Amino acid sequence: DSGVTQTPKHLITATGQRVTLRCSPRSGDLSVYWYQQSLDQGLQFLIQYYNGEERAKGNILERFSAQQFPDLHSELNLSSLELGDSALYFCASSVVGANSYEQYFGPGTRLTVT
Amino acid sequence: GQQVMQIPQYQHVQEGEDFTTYCNSSTTLSNIQWYKQRPGGHPVFLIQLVKSGEVKKQKRLTFQFGEAKKNSSLHITATQTTDVGTYFCAAGGQNFVFGPGTRLSVLP
Repeated sequence: DSGVTQTPKHLITATGQRVTLRCSPRSGDLSVYWYQQSLDQGLQFLIQYYNGEERAKGNILERFSAQQFPDLHSELNLSSLELGDSALYFCASSVVGANSYEQYFGPGTRLTVT
Repeated sequence: GQQVMQIPQYQHVQEGEDFTTYCNSSTTLSNIQWYKQRPGGHPVFLIQLVKSGEVKKQKRLTFQFGEAKKNSSLHITATQTTDVGTYFCAAGGQNFVFGPGTRLSVLP
């Protein structure tokens, strides 16, 4: 158990819909990262937040947005969903915002778009 | 942007054989991390390398960072079935970039 929690574990929805994925970082971690992992694929970095502020942006679609709240939990919003958005979405947290600290991954949310 | 490549993409070994995966970057890295993801699981941090030419060991695992800080390797001695999974390198820098991973299967 990494200490990072993600809800829900599974999500099935239809094309065109909007969903919100939630992540709670490890106690004391200020930074949250979001990743997308498609079937048998690597980890695509989406976005990073540090203490409520956006820190770095990766290959995140305009239909996707995220935020980190004052209590440090984060939400990833996916809208106008397409079949290709079906994937495993991981959240990770680290102690500080610098990229030189290890990331602790949550169990992931498996999104299926039908 | 920064690209991180890993070879091989897949590796099948007999239990007891050695295994090595290589990670190569198009740019000089400030640091590199290695993660392992078991089938159906989430990535788990293994180690971080920071210094040029650094070598670190964890039991049967040996990690190396190249002198030019553009490549790294992970070597597993005498693989066991518990080593099964995908090994990712991740390059630290402006953005955190994961390599595509090497999937290791170990035949008993």
